[in-house]
Amino acid sequence: EPEVTQTPSHQVTQMGQEVILRCVPISNHLYFYWYRQILGQKVEFLVSFYNNEISEKSEIFDDQFSVERPDGSNFTLKIRSTKLEDSAMYFCASRNRGDQPQHFGDGTRLSIL
Amino acid sequence: AQKVTQAQTEISVVEKEDVTLDCVYETRDTTYYLFWYKQPPSGELVFLIRRNSFDEQNEISGRYSWNFQKSTSSFNFTITASQVVDSAVYFCALGHGNKLVFGAGTILRVKS
Repeated sequence: EPEVTQTPSHQVTQMGQEVILRCVPISNHLYFYWYRQILGQKVEFLVSFYNNEISEKSEIFDDQFSVERPDGSNFTLKIRSTKLEDSAMYFCASRNRGDQPQHFGDGTRLSIL
Repeated sequence: AQKVTQAQTEISVVEKEDVTLDCVYETRDTTYYLFWYKQPPSGELVFLIRRNSFDEQNEISGRYSWNFQKSTSSFNFTITASQVVDSAVYFCALGHGNKLVFGAGTILRVKS
């Protein structure tokens, strides 16, 4: 069964550094998402992406965040200048049509030191 | 505003017991979807079920069953004859437009 793939599984970065989290959505999917889960807390929506542009973003998704679909397969989340509070599990998700469920990747655990 | 409440922070049961996880939601949308996801200790999010707001029929899948009641805005999840492998965090979520709104999750511990 096709799945959403995220790399790396764990990223350790110094505070203030830039980090890029990578995702390969399921190949025929059209809608892409990033969510964040701070340790022990609920999963929070960050951003949705469709037709090569952001369709919705949350208050968390401020100017230090950006997303990109650089080619036909990858979907990336960039955090420009990381802060300690960016430490979390980041989940990528994708879906085919608007009425289909989102399928999540296994997540990237981001640790900011 | 959209909101999902999972009032049970943590539940502990002994293997083979039945357990029900509660989920109450708030939305002004007339059409919406409800979801349950499982997060095992390894951390990934596993999709379990999706229900359309127009379909209040209860669903059973093996040991899992879901009770959707629009009148009380609830979408409860029951595991029958629980097993140790069911130990995980379970999240209820509401589909609002283009995103999912998650509840805080319920930690289920099944002891042998």
